[in-house]
Amino acid sequence: DQQVKQNSPSLSVQEGRISILNCDYTNSMFDYFLWYKKYPAEGPTFLISISSIKDKNEDGRFTVFLNKSAKHLSLHIVPSQPGDSAVYFCAASRSYNTDKLIFGTGTRLQVFP
Amino acid sequence: NAGVTQTPKFQVLKTGQSMTLQCAQDMNHEYMSWYRQDPGMGLRLIHYSVGAGITDQGEVPNGYNVSRSTTEDFPLRLLSAAPSQTSVYFCASSYTLAGSNEKLFFGSGTQLSVL
Repeated sequence: DQQVKQNSPSLSVQEGRISILNCDYTNSMFDYFLWYKKYPAEGPTFLISISSIKDKNEDGRFTVFLNKSAKHLSLHIVPSQPGDSAVYFCAASRSYNTDKLIFGTGTRLQVFP
Repeated sequence: NAGVTQTPKFQVLKTGQSMTLQCAQDMNHEYMSWYRQDPGMGLRLIHYSVGAGITDQGEVPNGYNVSRSTTEDFPLRLLSAAPSQTSVYFCASSYTLAGSNEKLFFGSGTQLSVL
């Protein structure tokens, strides 16, 4: 039972355009959401997060939107750059404790010139 | 400052063999954990530790043992490897268990194949 789902395994976007990565979750008890970025042969690194009391959080070119009623969150990257090419994992938690973190399956983003 | 160091990077085992995946961190983190990444499954928590001498099970602990004798090291042991344990393994650490989702540092991974 996959509680956090990323239904698009891959996404290809032209440089300068917007990248939108989507994530759905099934557990209504999740109250904290994160995105991690992973380059080949490296471990995931934290990118951006949002708590359930907000519906939007921005950090530079990265914005995460949360729609609690739809149990859906999305990551927007504007403008997309070739260096953004990586696998992006969505993760959700029922608390701020790391041992409760549930990861999605990942979406591979390719940004081409 | 090396962060989280995992060894080896690649390993091939035969069914039934045993091995230990090493993980060390030099950030004086209390919390350390092991994840496995499988196609279509995301990262799943195997075991974790909130400090030296304290370990607990995660989502998929069967077939794995851990111990935490020092703050720095958190090895993962496969006592009798099975093909189902073919995966990429990540070690991660953070300052504490609570409120640490954003501060989880990962190692670069160990790719394990069990034949």
